[in-house]
This record gives sequence, C-alpha cells and structure tokens, in this order.
Amino acid sequence: EIVLTQSPGTLSLSPGERATLSCRASQTVTYTYLAWYQQKPGQPPRLLIYGASSRATGIPDRFSGSGSGTDFTLTISSLEPEDFAVYYCQQSTTSPPLTFGGGTKVEIK
Amino acid sequence: QVQLQESGPGLVKPSQTLSLTCTVSGDSINSGRYYWTWIRQHPGGGLEWIGSIYYTGSTSYNPSLKSRLSISVDTSRSQFSLKLSSVYAADSAVYYCAAYTAYDACIDSWGRGTLVTVSS
Repeated sequence: EIVLTQSPGTLSLSPGERATLSCRASQTVTYTYLAWYQQKPGQPPRLLIYGASSRATGIPDRFSGSGSGTDFTLTISSLEPEDFAVYYCQQSTTSPPLTFGGGTKVEIK
Repeated sequence: QVQLQESGPGLVKPSQTLSLTCTVSGDSINSGRYYWTWIRQHPGGGLEWIGSIYYTGSTSYNPSLKSRLSISVDTSRSQFSLKLSSVYAADSAVYYCAAYTAYDACIDSWGRGTLVTVSS
C-alpha cells in the first residue's frame, strides 16, 4: 500500500499570500494517478487537480499542481477568502487500495 | 459529472450490519465511465477508501475492511449499495458515495455524505 504524507499539517497564511502544499509518497506514484481535492466544513471533497497537474472543470488558474515520482505539490498562487479549507492528495497507482493523504489545513493567519 | 445521493439508517447497533444505498443520476450507471465508490470520513479525520464496483459487478475492496464488506450494484434502479457487517464504534463516520473515473484516475463526483453512528 502506498502511504501519502502531506505537509505541513496546518498552513497559516493571509489572503493574497502564496500557499505551497506537499504530498510525499512512500513509493513511486505514476503522475497520471495523483489527484488533489479541497474540502470545506460540512461539504464533500471537491476535485481540484488530476493527473498531477491538470485542473478540473471550473477550477481557477490560481490552483496548480506539479511533481513526479514520490514528490508532488499543490500551489495556490494568491489565496482568496474561499480557499481556506482542507486539501487532500490521492493516488491510485496501486489500487486496491486507493489512498489519500492525511490532509493539510490552510487557515487564515 | 454525475449526481449521487446516499440513503440509509443514521444509527446502527454494534455487531449489526450497516447498509447504505447510493442513487445515481445525470449519467447511466451502465455507461462504463465510472467505478462506483464508497469512501468514509471519521469525525475530524481524513478520507478512507472503502471499495469500488464497476457496472459489471466487478468489485475492489479495501483490504482492511474486506472480511466485513460487500458492495453490489443494481443497474435497473441506478443504484449501488454498501453492506458492512459486525460494525463497532470505530465504524462511525460520514459515508460518501462517489464516482471514480479510471480515465482520469480521480473522483470527479461526490454525494453529500451521510453520517452513520454505531451505538446501542
């Protein structure tokens, strides 16, 4: 089973700042099988990025994904008030099981 | 994207079977575009994949739950279902049904989620 470790656990930033979220895998993840989701309280997750770097439909271009192998990054270029949420990475290179990272909470500083 | 809606009891007694159904709309459950998937989230916790089913009935289960788990599909009703047996308190969680697209290797549609509490 591939374990995904996200860091930091919590990121405290102000609106307008840049957010850089890390997702590290215990084994190589094929880039096409790495996705990122955003979750707000009381809501299901929402797909942001698939294939490590492709934005899902309707996702603003301030969100970008990059990486390969075991290290992947989600970047939010300039935080908007609605971006404060929890972010999860997910892999399905080896499935079962499909696995998620533990999440990074982006909170208002 | 498709629309998904979970239904089922919000309270289950320990040692009993948790049963949930997901109704799919906006696309045919037979389309072959999706693996129909269950995911759960413990209170304040992260996301855990439970298992997935293809419209043909082919299943894939999380090894940690496999011995207690059954996922089935009813294409005539556009529904798929989850049964988790011998539940205990640690199975209390929000359960989501979701649509995993193998083409893009991601979950592009989620139900709103339903809270299931295991308690006597």
